[in-house]
Amino acid sequence: ETGVTQTPRHLVMGMTNKKSLKCEQHLGHNAMYWYKQSAKKPLELMFVYSLEERVENNSVPSRFSPECPNSSHLFLHLHTLQPEDSALYLCASSPSGLRHEQYFGPGTRLTVT
Amino acid sequence: RKEVEQDPGPFNVPEGATVAFNCTYSNSASQSFFWYRQDCRKEPKLLMSVYSSGNEDGRFTAQLNRASQYISLLIRDSKLSDSATYLCVVNLYDRGSTLGRLYFGRGTQLTVWP
Repeated sequence: ETGVTQTPRHLVMGMTNKKSLKCEQHLGHNAMYWYKQSAKKPLELMFVYSLEERVENNSVPSRFSPECPNSSHLFLHLHTLQPEDSALYLCASSPSGLRHEQYFGPGTRLTVT
Repeated sequence: RKEVEQDPGPFNVPEGATVAFNCTYSNSASQSFFWYRQDCRKEPKLLMSVYSSGNEDGRFTAQLNRASQYISLLIRDSKLSDSATYLCVVNLYDRGSTLGRLYFGRGTQLTVWP
């Protein structure tokens, strides 16, 4: 399936590095999301964009910086991360509206060393 | 209190068995409900929406009890390929928002053995 794609699929970075995660959706959706999934924990919503405007930021540390240049693309810029930031980062999209499902990309598995 | 609570399992059942998962949610204003499936090291994928009247999709049956704030998923005639983690998901709308927000349970792990 190619509805929502994410690159890279795997990333290893040091604590002083700067990297970016990319997400692209081909579904014509208006909303995009970043989630973090750590072992043994439920998915944690990080950011929500609706029509390229950030509508939710769930107290995420500033070392994570999202960017949504258009309704099809979403980035997560990373800098000075900590080892506890190692996790699976999932992008999702959904149509706007009162009843919607979210469709997930394959995720980027991030390891911070 | 967690928004969505699930029994984490694991559930280990033989092929052909019937297995049921339960889920409770805390906010009575929740508007829509889903079951997602997540395979090991993969992304969650929508399995089915859950409607008030209950709904069925092949071997899968979902039920919603709004009064008890309870959702269930029944899998009949389990297959090896059903082995996965099943996530209970609730959508809650803030006043004035058209998006809502999904709350995920921790998931229930199912292993079907031959």
